[in-house]
Amino acid sequence: GAVVSQHPSRVICKSGTSVKIECRSLDFQATTMFWYRQFPKKSLMLMATSNEGSKATYEQGVEKDKFLINHASLTLSTLTVTSAHPEDSSFYICSASLAGGIEDTQYFGPGTRLTVL
Amino acid sequence: DQQVKQNSPSLSVQEGRISILNCDYTNSMFDYFLWYKKYPAEGPTFLISISSIKDKNEDGRFTVFLNKSAKHLSLHIVPSQPGDSAVYFCAATYRGSNYKLTFGKGTLLTVNP
Repeated sequence: GAVVSQHPSRVICKSGTSVKIECRSLDFQATTMFWYRQFPKKSLMLMATSNEGSKATYEQGVEKDKFLINHASLTLSTLTVTSAHPEDSSFYICSASLAGGIEDTQYFGPGTRLTVL
Repeated sequence: DQQVKQNSPSLSVQEGRISILNCDYTNSMFDYFLWYKKYPAEGPTFLISISSIKDKNEDGRFTVFLNKSAKHLSLHIVPSQPGDSAVYFCAATYRGSNYKLTFGKGTLLTVNP
């Protein structure tokens, strides 16, 4: 089956630093990648949708200058949390879609736990 | 505004019995629905989906029922197994949304041996 990896799985950083999270589709080319955020006991909230070679589309309320997304290739998307603050602490999950059709399954990565001190 | 609602945060069933997980939605534009299973510290894994042109889809022990008029869907697991214990998320999307998934808050299923 399609496998999506995320790196790192867990990161702790100081307030004010930037953190980069990588999302890779290991055995398929992903036309579209999605970034989600999950707070404790809450649903996954879509942050942005990225298509290879184009700018990401951010959801309402998500600061594009704070959460930088780069989808440089069909197998790699990165999320950079710039000038991280404690309120950015969360579980970040990416997903990748094979062809981007409505019936195309999104395959999820294992997630990255970010803790900002 | 929660467009996809899973009103039961948890459910406990005995091994071998049926598990029924419920999901309601408010956005009438949704026309494709999915169920995902999630273990702690892992990303969700796809279980089963259903298009709005159908009212039932079955895959092994898993069956999803869709009642469009009630804007309600349910996931049935028969027979339930201890390995089914996980958080189950209901998600919805529609053509024209750029395939964005809107998730419910999840239901923690515990299957007791």
